[in-house]
Amino acid sequence: RKEVEQDPGPFNVPEGATVAFNCTYSNSASQSFFWYRQDCRKEPKLLMSVYSSGNEDGRFTAQLNRASQYISLLIRDSKLSDSATYLCVVGRNYGQNFVFGPGTRLSVLP
Amino acid sequence: NAGVTQTPKFRILKIGQSMTLQCTQDMNHNYMYWYRQDPGMGLKLIYYSVGAGITDKGEVPNGYNVSRSTTEDFPLRLELAAPSQTSVYFCASSPITWVGNTIYFGEGSWLTVV
Repeated sequence: RKEVEQDPGPFNVPEGATVAFNCTYSNSASQSFFWYRQDCRKEPKLLMSVYSSGNEDGRFTAQLNRASQYISLLIRDSKLSDSATYLCVVGRNYGQNFVFGPGTRLSVLP
Repeated sequence: NAGVTQTPKFRILKIGQSMTLQCTQDMNHNYMYWYRQDPGMGLKLIYYSVGAGITDKGEVPNGYNVSRSTTEDFPLRLELAAPSQTSVYFCASSPITWVGNTIYFGEGSWLTVV
C-alpha cells in the first residue's frame, strides 16, 4: 500500500460545479499536510496547507481528519482555470520529509 | 525572486552519454531533492540531501549520482544515459520541516535520451 493515496480520477466537471478530492495517508507520524496544484508541463505549486481545524481560501476548502488519516479538498464554483492535477502531500520530520500522492486530474468543461 | 533554479531546461542526449543537471536555491534551505516525472505519472524521488555533505537515496536512484558541496547547489549526474531516463526532472528545496513549511520546486528540466 502506498503511503499517500488519492482518488484515481480523472474528474470531468462542468463550469460552476462543486468537486471534492480525497486523500488518505498511512503514516500516523505525519505532521503537516498540503494540497499542491500541477498544471500540464509545469512544476507543482502550493495550493494550500491543511490544518486540523480545516481552512478555507476563497472557493477552496481543505479538511484534515487525523483520526481517520484522511485529507480532503473541496472546490466550489469550478472555473476553467481550475483544470490541473491536484497533489496531496504529507510532511514528516525525518527521511525525505515530503511524500506525494499520485495526483488527481481535474478537467473543468465549458 | 529566484527561488530554485534548474539548468538546462531542455536537453537531448544520445544513449551512453553523460550529463549533469544543475540546481541552485537562494533560500538557504537545508533540504534539497531531485524528482523525476514520466508522462501522466506521479513524482518519484531520485535522491535527497538534508544538508551540505549529506545525501541519501530515494525511490529510483539507479543510474544517477548527486553531490552536495554547498547549501545552495545540488547537481544531478546521469551516467551512461538510457532511453528509460527520458523524463522531466524537478529539483526542489525545503527548510527544516516545521509545521507550515513547504517544498518549493524549480521549473523542471526536460530530458530526452535517443
